[in-house]
Amino acid sequence: GAGVSQSPSNKVTEKGKDVELRCDPISGHTALYWYRQRLGQGLEFLIYFQGNSAPDKSGLPSDRFSAERTGESVSTLTIQRTQQEDSAVYLCASSSLVLAGGIFDEQFFGPGTRLTVL
Amino acid sequence: AQSVAQPEDQVNVAEGNPLTVKCTYSVSGNPYLFWYVQYPNRGLQFLLKYITGDNLVKGSYGFEAEFNKSQTSFHLKKPSALVSDSALYFCAVRVRDTGRRALTFGSGTRLQVQP
Repeated sequence: GAGVSQSPSNKVTEKGKDVELRCDPISGHTALYWYRQRLGQGLEFLIYFQGNSAPDKSGLPSDRFSAERTGESVSTLTIQRTQQEDSAVYLCASSSLVLAGGIFDEQFFGPGTRLTVL
Repeated sequence: AQSVAQPEDQVNVAEGNPLTVKCTYSVSGNPYLFWYVQYPNRGLQFLLKYITGDNLVKGSYGFEAEFNKSQTSFHLKKPSALVSDSALYFCAVRVRDTGRRALTFGSGTRLQVQP
């Protein structure tokens, strides 16, 4: 597809369960980002992947959160033992670091996964 | 550390009037600055960015923003607002020439354009 896609669009789970959220970036984009948006708040950075480099995990709020990326394609964000405070919209974005001879960092966002933890 | 402040939770403007959505930032180093818009039940859409060069940046849908280094501001503007501009607007920043490419976002400003 032309844009970033995420699945599922909505996920309702019970407290204590594990969830997996998927992101398909734009083809050819080497960088992939996960953000969290709590209700009424701005975006909070979680994790960043760039090619084969070690991911920047500095935004992960706890060790219950982890993410993987296969090469320069799909990424999965996993939340273990979900808590009610994990309820949020999880947004994925991708970007191409080099475009038309310049350095750009314009991030293209997916529609998000709305996670509700009961 | 870097941060972004959007001091107004909501901005109300009449259709046809000019609009301004304010953003100030704090970074250690030179910034890349961005504006994104979020419509209901949709993901964030890129509006415009400042990388270097002219301080006045023009973007999508008739929006523009002015980078002011001395005031560390990057206010979003449009000469004539449309009802369809009503949405949530986010300002974002990251530092140039560093390995950390993740954006730091403001808390968002809801723009309401009245007919």
